[in-house]
Amino acid sequence: NAGVMQNPRHLVRRRGQEARLRCSPMKGHSHVYWYRQLPEEGLKFMVYLQKENIIDESGMPKERFSAEFPKEGPSILRIQQVVRGDSAAYFCASSPGTSQYFGPGTRLTVL
Amino acid sequence: QQQVKQSPQSLIVQKGGISIINCAYENTAFDYFPWYQQFPGKGPALLIAIRPDVSEKKEGRFTISFNKSAKQFSLHIMDSQPGDSATYFCAAIPGAAGNKLTFGGGTRVLVKP
Repeated sequence: NAGVMQNPRHLVRRRGQEARLRCSPMKGHSHVYWYRQLPEEGLKFMVYLQKENIIDESGMPKERFSAEFPKEGPSILRIQQVVRGDSAAYFCASSPGTSQYFGPGTRLTVL
Repeated sequence: QQQVKQSPQSLIVQKGGISIINCAYENTAFDYFPWYQQFPGKGPALLIAIRPDVSEKKEGRFTISFNKSAKQFSLHIMDSQPGDSATYFCAAIPGAAGNKLTFGGGTRVLVKP
């Protein structure tokens, strides 16, 4: 049973470009969460989705960030017009209920 | 406002010793408390979790102690091994399933051989 999969593992973008991060939850998990981790810091919640629905986006910046979890395919975290402050590790977690299981993360570097 | 406070920030322990990490929370709605282990460049891995109706839970060398009245919980790593060197995060979730994790700031543990 494959774990949570994220790709790409590393992503380099120049300021102003778009970043698309993908997350495939564990089989049978209908809850997906995105977290951001800045260097030497803990993880901060961004958004919680179920299939085709955003349940809680209270941790998402108001501008440039969006997330989706379509009926078919992976969940996508999209960052438009990236800035250097967006450089971080972005983790996806999936859950069948309470326990959340994390993927390996995508490390975004903005030049 | 940090809702889960974790201490210490870093910890050095000799092989075979006990590593102790403490967390305190403010939100009484929290009712599920997992601990995660993270190695450099990897995602957090669920280690052990506890609910407030239990005062202690043990899995192998890892034990969670929970004090509901004090709103505190701790992780004990017994017989610490160099392979336990990692960053450990406590976390909390309120209410029923499907809620966001609130993490502590993390503790970097180094086990010296």
